[in-house]
Amino acid sequence: AQTVTQSQPEMSVQEAETVTLSCTYDTSESNYYLFWYKQPPSRQMILVIRQEAYKQQNATENRFSVNFQKAAKSFSLKISDSQLGDTAMYFCALLQGAQKLVFGQGTRLTINP
Amino acid sequence: NAGVMQNPRHLVRRRGQEARLRCSPMKGHSHVYWYRQLPEEGLKFMVYLQKENIIDESGMPKERFSAEFPKEGPSILRIQQVVRGDSAAYFCASSPDTSDTQYFGPGTRLTVL
Repeated sequence: AQTVTQSQPEMSVQEAETVTLSCTYDTSESNYYLFWYKQPPSRQMILVIRQEAYKQQNATENRFSVNFQKAAKSFSLKISDSQLGDTAMYFCALLQGAQKLVFGQGTRLTINP
Repeated sequence: NAGVMQNPRHLVRRRGQEARLRCSPMKGHSHVYWYRQLPEEGLKFMVYLQKENIIDESGMPKERFSAEFPKEGPSILRIQQVVRGDSAAYFCASSPDTSDTQYFGPGTRLTVL
């Protein structure tokens, strides 16, 4: 069975600092997709970044980038120059069987002024 | 292009009543997914539908829960004879294809008294 593990329940950093959120996963599929979603206090699920497993290049979206280590089954999210609006729950997710997303338990990130 | 729409945003039901949750996918999206989020947990897959077909309902409880996505109109998640344990946030997501990014609606918060 596919699983996604986020080992950091909570993290807290100062505004403008860089923070890295960890995620490991397990899958027997050779091709899959990985995502980071953000859930702010409004509870809306917002896509942060997407990575296709067959692409070796790490995905980047403005201040957000990933470190995708396929052999280690690791998919960490780096947030540079963190802002107060980055405060949210962050969920790592694996697209399983090209159909359903499997989510980790989440990391609660707080950006302090 | 409007995002995924869900209504109602909040729903209160007494034990034994029925709950109907509606989801309108993004324009051009024919794949709909329902997820449930219990407090302080990640999202759990429930069911995946295409127009008039249930493709994967492996995450849906066998009793009291049903889902449909008719040819015309929104997708409906129906919970009969609700119990307190059904209290959760129910999210709908849609995608244009199976391997594509899933975009989420704002969710429906169900409270069972």
